[in-house]
Amino acid sequence: GAVVSQHPSWVICKSGTSVKIECRSLDFQATTMFWYRQFPKQSLMLMATSNEGSKATYEQGVEKDKFLINHASLTLSTLTVTSAHPEDSSFYICSASTASSGNTIYFGEGSWLTVV
Amino acid sequence: QKEVEQNSGPLSVPEGAIASLNCTYSDRGSQSFFWYRQYSGKSPELIMFIYSNGDKEDGRFTAQLNKASQYVSLLIRDSQPSDSATYLCAVNRGSQGNLIFGKGTKLSVKP
Repeated sequence: GAVVSQHPSWVICKSGTSVKIECRSLDFQATTMFWYRQFPKQSLMLMATSNEGSKATYEQGVEKDKFLINHASLTLSTLTVTSAHPEDSSFYICSASTASSGNTIYFGEGSWLTVV
Repeated sequence: QKEVEQNSGPLSVPEGAIASLNCTYSDRGSQSFFWYRQYSGKSPELIMFIYSNGDKEDGRFTAQLNKASQYVSLLIRDSQPSDSATYLCAVNRGSQGNLIFGKGTKLSVKP
């Protein structure tokens, strides 16, 4: 199946700093990528939809200036958590879809962010 | 009403039994439905998807869809301890493929 790679797998940062998470589709071109956040024992919550070459579409309640998304190529989307705070600590997961698989969603491995 | 609802469980079944996981959704216009398995601390992995009413079988897994009742289920036959995980139901609400997830049902298969 399609492979989506995420980096880093886990990161610890100080409060007030920014952290960038990368999401790459390794064997297909993803015109659309999605960013989710999952708190412990909670479901995945869609944060934003990232479209290659255009601005991301954010879900209601997600601050676009705090969670910067860039989808510069058909294989790479990045999520930058700016001025991170402890409440931003979470499991961040990206996913991508490919039309050749009927738009089935494939997930990256996820990135654990801990803000101290 | 939440868009995708699942019983959080935990659902406990003995090894070798059939595990039945259920999911309902609110958007009658939803077209595609997915089941993902998520182990603790890991990213979800796709088990199967279904688009049409009826049953779809893949190995020990069978997905069932009833659009009239807005209901989708996953049956796991001959359950194994390694099947113990949280199972997420997801519904595709748009043409771009953005999925809406249920909260998941935690399954525990006892040896």
